[in-house]
This record gives sequence, structure tokens and C-alpha cells, in this order.
Amino acid sequence: AQKITQTQPGMFVQEKEAVTLDCTYDTSDQSYGLFWYKQPSSGEMIFLIYQGSYDEQNATEGRYSLNFQKARKSANLVISASQLGDSAMYFCAMRDYSSASKIIFGSGTRLSIRP
Amino acid sequence: GAVVSQHPSRVICKSGTSVKIECRSLDFQATTMFWYRQFPKQSLMLMATSNEGSKATYEQGVEKDKFLINHASLTLSTLTVTSAHPEDSSFYICSAATSRALTKETQYFGPGTRLLVL
Repeated sequence: AQKITQTQPGMFVQEKEAVTLDCTYDTSDQSYGLFWYKQPSSGEMIFLIYQGSYDEQNATEGRYSLNFQKARKSANLVISASQLGDSAMYFCAMRDYSSASKIIFGSGTRLSIRP
Repeated sequence: GAVVSQHPSRVICKSGTSVKIECRSLDFQATTMFWYRQFPKQSLMLMATSNEGSKATYEQGVEKDKFLINHASLTLSTLTVTSAHPEDSSFYICSAATSRALTKETQYFGPGTRLLVL
């Protein structure tokens, strides 16, 4: 069965510092996709970054990068130069292509940026 | 980018009544829609997967007779919470995927509906 684990319920980071949000996953499939979403207090889900299981290079999107370590089954999100607007819940998620492409989510990490 | 809307954004109802939530893909055709529920300070839990023109597939533990899902067209899916109880109070979020999304990276999420049952 698929599983996503986020072990950091909450984190505090000083503005302009980099932060790493941890995510490990478990799946028996070879073909899958990993996502990170941001959820501000308004509730909307904002897509940040995606990593395919066959992608050899780590995904990057602006200040976001995904540290993909396939052998360890980890997909940590790195946010560089954090901003006050980065304060939100962050969810790691996985899509297993053998399961009707549904996405399952981790428990989330609440990130708070200190000025 | 693709836009998904939900209506209503917020609803308060009395216990025992039914509530219908609409999810629309505004600028693309969604062959598959997903319904999630999120309790306060918790993660999104997938309730069901809905394909246009066919019956929804419910996740284990989700009562299909209580949470009725209809995906009548390629742009509209509805979730009806029947005989709502206070424990059904939650944040309900839909997402929509195009046929291309089965190999593409993202689904598109709606803004969510906050349901409060008194």
C-alpha cells in the first residue's frame, strides 16, 4: 500500500533562510509521481513542484527544489531564501499510476517564517 | 492555467438536511474528478474518484449512500452530503484531471467548500 510520511508537524524559520521539509514515501510500484503542495489559511491547494520516479534530475521551480533520493524513498522540499508569505501548511503527495492516478497526501508540515 | 471552481464556498445547514456541492472545470474537460475531505489541522483524505458517465469509486470507510457523487458531464461533478450530521462538518475539496493528466504531473484543485452542520 502507498504511504506518505511527513515527520515534522511544525517548523519555525527565520526570514531569508533556507528550509528543508522532509517527506518519505512507500510504494511497490516503479512508476509514480511525487508532489508538493502549499495550503495557506484560505484553504486553496497550490501546486509547487513535481518529481517523476524516472526523472534523473531533481526538480526545481524558482525558489523550490525537490531533493529526490529514490533509494531512500525520500522527496524533501527545499525552499531557498524564505519569505513571510511562505508561512503555510505544506503537503507532500504521491500519485501511483496503477491506482487510477489518485493522489494521496502526507500529514503536512506547518511552516512559520519569522521576520 | 486550468481553473476549477466550487460552489458554494461556505455552507451552514441544519442536522438532517442534505447539502450539494458543485465542482466545475471552467476551461478544460475533466474526465476524472476527485473528492477530498479535510478536518481542521489534518491532511486531505481522498473520499472518492469519479469518472464521467460512470459510478464513483469510493475509498474504504466512506459511505457511498451518505456521500452521493454524480459526474454527469466532463465539466461538472457534484457531491451531495445526505442527512448531514455535525460530524460531517469539514472542508471538502475537489480536484479535476484531464485525460492528459494521467501522464502529466498535476491535477487541478478547486478552492474548497467549508461545511458546517448545526
